[in-house]
Amino acid sequence: DTAVSQTPKYLVTQMGNDKSIKCEQNLGHDTMYWYKQDSKKFLKIMFSYNNKELIINETVPNRFSPKSPDKAHLNLHINSLELGDSAVYFCASSQSQGARSPLHFGNGTRLTVT
Amino acid sequence: TQLLEQSPQFLSIQEGENLTVYCNSSSVFSSLQWYRQEPGEGPVLLVTVVTGGEVKKLKRLTFQFGDARKDSSLHITAAQPGDTGLYLCAGTLTSGSARQLTFGSGTQLTVLP
Repeated sequence: DTAVSQTPKYLVTQMGNDKSIKCEQNLGHDTMYWYKQDSKKFLKIMFSYNNKELIINETVPNRFSPKSPDKAHLNLHINSLELGDSAVYFCASSQSQGARSPLHFGNGTRLTVT
Repeated sequence: TQLLEQSPQFLSIQEGENLTVYCNSSSVFSSLQWYRQEPGEGPVLLVTVVTGGEVKKLKRLTFQFGDARKDSSLHITAAQPGDTGLYLCAGTLTSGSARQLTFGSGTQLTVLP
């Protein structure tokens, strides 16, 4: 069984549209994350979230919003998509927010904005 | 300027050769992790190092954390095609209250048969 699963795997859409990416983890972890990987393979954190606290990277546009219906899910909503939003988005989870707690990543969603 | 710089950015070697990948910073980290990412997949954790000077071995892979906890290296002995992938170091700064894992720029390793 996949530990962290995200859908869709590929998403192609036009500028200005609104889209969502779903993420689910079955590891029982307390904390979930969204990362963005650009064309140069650089991974940058967007959000970290547990049932108590949402931490937002200040560089993330407010067009991006995480939504967590329960502890096992953290979906990513993107409004008014722009060309520069094209990237691979990874969901991840960890048992705690401790520095030594490893991240478990999903297999990514490749978003292409045309 | 990225917080964690990895070198080399790209590395292509023949099967059986040895290699070392470096992860450097001017900042001090409380811990550092190494991940490997294969095409179409997410990164997978290889190791976590937490003590300055610490050395950890994982089969043919040897990881070292610098004495000052500002840098790390990954050495692979007798590389195999299965080692091919993107190697990422990631660290958590000693400063700051929230968990913020910062990733390095990555090293794309290709091992040719």
